[in-house]
Amino acid sequence: EADIYQTPRYLVIGTGKKITLECSQTMGHDKMYWYQQDPGMELHLIHYSYGVNSTEKGDLSSESTVSRIRTEHFPLTLESARPSHTSQYLCASSRGGYDEQYFGPGTRLTVT
Amino acid sequence: ILNVEQSPQSLHVQEGDSTNFTCSFPSSNFYALHWYRWETAKSPEALFVMTLNGDEKKKGQISATLNTKEGYSYLYIKGSQPEDSATYLCAFMSGAWDSNYQLIWGAGTKLIIKP
Repeated sequence: EADIYQTPRYLVIGTGKKITLECSQTMGHDKMYWYQQDPGMELHLIHYSYGVNSTEKGDLSSESTVSRIRTEHFPLTLESARPSHTSQYLCASSRGGYDEQYFGPGTRLTVT
Repeated sequence: ILNVEQSPQSLHVQEGDSTNFTCSFPSSNFYALHWYRWETAKSPEALFVMTLNGDEKKKGQISATLNTKEGYSYLYIKGSQPEDSATYLCAFMSGAWDSNYQLIWGAGTKLIIKP
């Protein structure tokens, strides 16, 4: 079983609130990713990181921001949540190159 | 814009039957093709990472083939069991200079095994 964790698993929050979705991995992987996925749809990459102090935007535009101060930790922040942010957010990590990605259990976010 | 198509979208199969489904991806700038299994209430888990044209991989009763020239991969399940019920995702990695070697995902094939 992969050692990658996400909290919270479920979050229901009101419009305008600031939220941080946590992601941690204990595998020492340099590369980490955040995906957004709506039911029945593809995973879309919103952020990724090559290592500490490296963050890049993915192919799907997102109002969220990320940070990578420690190898094992890659939190995602929404400064002001909106109903359009309602989705599932998956965190993943890999050794890099074409290696497989290891996924966390996901956070289901609902913004009311 | 790179596109990965999976078919069918969903599939109902009787327990014990064999089945297969398709992943289509761009035939240029191929770098790698991934297959993942995503069971309900769990995390996606990698099944195969394929990099060479003609590659065949096998894990238990599940196998996959790869044709990079024509841009498709097949996933086969022999003798389906209820625990094979899941959504199967494929993802393409381009080797193009501006791709950043990120995975482009298909929407998945949802497999339901009927006992």
